[in-house]
Amino acid sequence: GQSLEQPSEVTAVEGAIVQINCTYQTSGFYGLSWYQQHDGGAPTFLSYNALDGLEETGRFSSFLSRSDSYGYLLLQELQMKDSASYFCAAPGTGGGNKLTFGTGTQLKVEL
Amino acid sequence: NAGVTQTPKFQVLKTGQSMTLQCAQDMNHNSMYWYRQDPGMGLRLIYYSASEGTTDKGEVPNGYNVSRLNKREFSLRLESAAPSQTSVYFCASSVGAPGTEAFFGQGTRLTVV
Repeated sequence: GQSLEQPSEVTAVEGAIVQINCTYQTSGFYGLSWYQQHDGGAPTFLSYNALDGLEETGRFSSFLSRSDSYGYLLLQELQMKDSASYFCAAPGTGGGNKLTFGTGTQLKVEL
Repeated sequence: NAGVTQTPKFQVLKTGQSMTLQCAQDMNHNSMYWYRQDPGMGLRLIYYSASEGTTDKGEVPNGYNVSRLNKREFSLRLESAAPSQTSVYFCASSVGAPGTEAFFGQGTRLTVV
């Protein structure tokens, strides 16, 4: 089985940088994805790390360390619209994309 | 391009009633999913279909059945609804390779009274 743990809530001010962590325990591991979900909405894909290191996409970056079973999502130049829940997710064993999601982190951006 | 379409968007059931949640995708994706999300919680996988003709249990399959009718459609059936099944249900699809983007429908908000 798989488990992915995240902090339940993070608060930061507009314009700041925030890091959302994800630690995982899996029987097999292909990589780590990140999804964003605004209140009442559908989750949307942000990024996927198959290899160790940092992947950058605009204001968002994602990092993976397989040796530490750890990853994080980094949000820079925070905006009010970034207030949302963020989930890490990992595909299961077997070569498919059977996604298990983490516990989720609610990010609150304040003025 | 509609993406992933779920119906209905809202539903209220009485305990013991049955219903089927419908999901269709128009992206020619191989994999489809059903998740439930309870207030303040993450997404828990109910069932997964890697490809047409195959289904696989997820974390919380009890009380649910699924049918992968064809490549486009993946339905979720509650045979005898219980208050514990009150939740928001999301259908999703992806190409199927590990890590590929999963596209979600807008969700079905189900209340069982």
